[in-house]
Amino acid sequence: SYALTQPPSVSVSPGQTASITCSGDNLGDTYACWYQQKPGQSPVLVIYKDSKRPSGIPERFSASKSGKTATLTISGTQAMDEAEYYCQAWDGSTYVFGAGTRVTVL
Amino acid sequence: EVQLVQSGAEVRKPGESLKISCKVSGYSFTRYWIAWVRQMPGKGLEWMGIIYPRDSDTRYSPSFQGQVTISADKSGDTAYLQWNSLKASDTAMFYCARRGLYEGSGFEYWGQGTAVTVSP
Repeated sequence: SYALTQPPSVSVSPGQTASITCSGDNLGDTYACWYQQKPGQSPVLVIYKDSKRPSGIPERFSASKSGKTATLTISGTQAMDEAEYYCQAWDGSTYVFGAGTRVTVL
Repeated sequence: EVQLVQSGAEVRKPGESLKISCKVSGYSFTRYWIAWVRQMPGKGLEWMGIIYPRDSDTRYSPSFQGQVTISADKSGDTAYLQWNSLKASDTAMFYCARRGLYEGSGFEYWGQGTAVTVSP
C-alpha cells in the first residue's frame, strides 16, 4: 500500500483560512476523503469524492485536488474547528489514512 | 436514523481471545460495506479491513491480515472484529464505520468506538 502525507500541524487565527494538504502517488487516480476528529470523539466525514460535502457539514469546509495533492480548506475558521483532520483514499486494494493534521485555532 | 452501536470497553490479558461487535440500524445492513479502524493511544487512524455483509466478502489491510478476523451476522445486523490471541500492542480504540454506496463516498457513519485494553 502507499502513503498519504499530511503536515503534522496547522495554526490559524479565528476567521482566517486554514489549508491542509495531502499528497500521495495514487491520489491522481482515486478519490480523496477528509475526516475531522475531535478529542474523545469518533471521526466525522467532512469531504468525500475529492470535493463534495456531506449534508450537515458547514459550507466553510471545502476541498480540491490537483494531480497527486488534495487540499482541505476551512474558510472563516472557528474555534469549534480545532481538531485533527485526516485524509483518506483507496489504493485499489486497501484504504489508507494520512497521519493526520492537528489544526489549532489561536 | 442510521446508527452503528458498538459493544462496550474490554480489558483482557495477553493471549486471550476477544470479539467485539458493531450493531447497525436504520438501513439495510446487507447493502453497505462495513470497515474496522484502529486508533492506538495518541495516534492516527488505521484501516484494518472491510466486509460486505451480503456475501461476507472481506478484505484486510496487509498490516492486519492474519491478526484479526472480520465477520458479519446478517440475521442480527451486526459486524464483528475478533482476535484469537491478544497482545499488549492491540491496546487501542476500535471503530466500525459504514462506507457509502460507491467508491469515493468515504466512511459516512461511525460507531462510538470500543476501547480494548490488553494488560497482564
